[in-house]
Amino acid sequence: QKEVEQDPGPLSVPEGAIVSLNCTYSNSAFQYFMWYRQYSRKGPELLMYTYSSGNKEDGRFTAQVDKSSKYISLFIRDSQPSDSATYLCAMGGSGNTGKLIFGQGTTLQVKP
Amino acid sequence: GAGVSQTPSNKVTEKGKYVELRCDPISGHTALYWYRQSLGQGPEFLIYFQGTGAADDSGLPNDRFFAVRPEGSVSTLKIQRTERGDSAVYLCASSLRPGGLSTDTQYFGPGTRLTVL
Repeated sequence: QKEVEQDPGPLSVPEGAIVSLNCTYSNSAFQYFMWYRQYSRKGPELLMYTYSSGNKEDGRFTAQVDKSSKYISLFIRDSQPSDSATYLCAMGGSGNTGKLIFGQGTTLQVKP
Repeated sequence: GAGVSQTPSNKVTEKGKYVELRCDPISGHTALYWYRQSLGQGPEFLIYFQGTGAADDSGLPNDRFFAVRPEGSVSTLKIQRTERGDSAVYLCASSLRPGGLSTDTQYFGPGTRLTVL
């Protein structure tokens, strides 16, 4: 079993829809949780990070962490075609090196 | 300012050959990471440098892989006797402060796409 599980999709939604992306994890030692966005043939770009259970909002994006269930989510409101990309969840803090453990990534397509 | 840069952007080699992949981190960043991303997968950790030393190389798959960062800035990932299974995108990331219980953002480069024929 992988430490971090993420449905690869693909997920296709119409413009303006609310998108929900999720990851589950098995290592309770993870301390911080991140969402990266990766466009085709580009490096991952950090979207959101959270350090504890609860919600964090930034514009159209909301990150949610439930440590008791080992479950994290990213919500995108009013989705735009420019949001079409692969979304990667990542977790860290289980050791002392800052290495991140990534999910497989979910491919999202927002259709105009 | 300039981001993380990686060269070459693409590398095609033959099975059994030696390759070197270069990473130029953001100036002043002390921490440097290498990840490998296979098609349809998320990045997989390879090695972490804090300054010049490899603080964690637990992700290197075998002794054909080696990385250096002699002056605490540029890093080179070296792969000996390449195999077809080494084909992937090799990503480099850097962050301002050393890793650990830190939320310092890891800034990724565009990656080097390695193809082993």
